Amino acid sequence: GAGVSQSPSNKVTEKGKDVELRCDPISGHTALYWYRQSLGQGLEFLIYFQGNSAPDKSGLPSDRFSAERTGGSVSTLTIQRTQQEDSAVYLCASSLAPVQETQYFGPGTRLLVL
Amino acid sequence: QQQVKQSPQSLIVQKGGISIINCAYENTAFDYFPWYQQFPGKGPALLIAIRPDVSEKKEGRFTISFNKSAKQFSLHIMDSQPGDSATYFCAARRMDSSYKLIFGSGTRLLVRP
Repeated sequence: GAGVSQSPSNKVTEKGKDVELRCDPISGHTALYWYRQSLGQGLEFLIYFQGNSAPDKSGLPSDRFSAERTGGSVSTLTIQRTQQEDSAVYLCASSLAPVQETQYFGPGTRLLVL
Repeated sequence: QQQVKQSPQSLIVQKGGISIINCAYENTAFDYFPWYQQFPGKGPALLIAIRPDVSEKKEGRFTISFNKSAKQFSLHIMDSQPGDSATYFCAARRMDSSYKLIFGSGTRLLVRP
């Protein structure tokens, strides 16, 4: 079966514009995570979904960031009024269930804010 | 606050040598410790993982050593190969909230032929 897919693979935008990043988890995986990887840095947790609900949004850096998940599958991370410091790789991961240990990562979306 | 500290930042090893990467943590709420391997332009891929009730786990050339009392764990890559050149991240999972992974800052490994 297919792995986690993300689109677009690359996104260049101007400061102040809104962007939407999409994640398609592995089919049947109920848990979905968004992480951010800044240049040369480790991964930083953003938000966690169990089904369509987000019980942990503690990693979202500001109210410009939001995410939703529909149908227990696809998730969209939206960044409003982008800033240059938002430039990073945004990674999505899914697991069969929250307690299931292995998180499978997508290839990421590389966001560059000019 | 950096909950998982990883060292070294970069590592150069000759082919056939042993690569060792170390991580330390503070939070006792962690219940699972994976290592991820990431090649340029790719997402991280799970390499090997350990639970705290085990002191060592070996899979092929990769071994995790875990010291619960010292709150430290390490990755050993035996007979390192040029194809192992990648960035390695240790992580720890919070069992008390959302099962999110807390990552170390990464180690860039270069294995010279």
